[in-house]
Amino acid sequence: QSVLTQPPSVSAAPGQKVTISCSGRSSNIGNNYVSWYQQLPGTAPKLLIYDNNKRPSGIPDRFSGSKSGTSATLGITGLQTGDEADYYCGTWDSSLSAVVFGGGTKLTVL
Amino acid sequence: EVQLVESGGGLVQPGGSLRLSCAASGFTFSTYGMNWVRQAPGKGLEWVSYISSSTSTIYYADSVKGRFTISRDNAKNSLYLQVNSLRDEDTAVYYCARGMVLPYNFFDYWGQGTLVTVSS
Repeated sequence: QSVLTQPPSVSAAPGQKVTISCSGRSSNIGNNYVSWYQQLPGTAPKLLIYDNNKRPSGIPDRFSGSKSGTSATLGITGLQTGDEADYYCGTWDSSLSAVVFGGGTKLTVL
Repeated sequence: EVQLVESGGGLVQPGGSLRLSCAASGFTFSTYGMNWVRQAPGKGLEWVSYISSSTSTIYYADSVKGRFTISRDNAKNSLYLQVNSLRDEDTAVYYCARGMVLPYNFFDYWGQGTLVTVSS
């Protein structure tokens, strides 16, 4: 059971938009920055979003992040088949003194 | 170009030990916090440990506390994870990842991982 809760899977058609939620509590998302990672099959995770809503250099603006209270959301617009991957949210948990991740969400582009 | 290359994984019996290494290049290693993150087969990401640039701050996940030890050698641009008293549930790909945990929490570069298999 992960500390952060994500839906196991989401799907949408090419060109459409999808959102992935990440739910936590005040000790983690509520008081710390959230990051998002993309893991393509058979590869290492890649940073997509940091500090709740910032994109590293090279990440297209189709990817966006937001945070409200104890929840965070990753948005992906203009879906492409190459976006099929597992997506993870992560943050610091002040009660655990540990980094915590969501269980991951598998995105299928139909 | 930032590169992180892990090594040291392998097959080990329950109760055994290994020393994982991560060789860093392409950035000033001594100024960055570093982490180990693992992923069991078919499962999600699990953070294992963090060490600050100066080694003054170290954190561990409860699941490995007392069994794993993180360390670094800034002169050799290397990160290490000594894993002892291994259990079946420690079987995973172990990634090293660059990044701090507080106040900003994100890992901007990851290695390709090294597989640790615990089995008799």
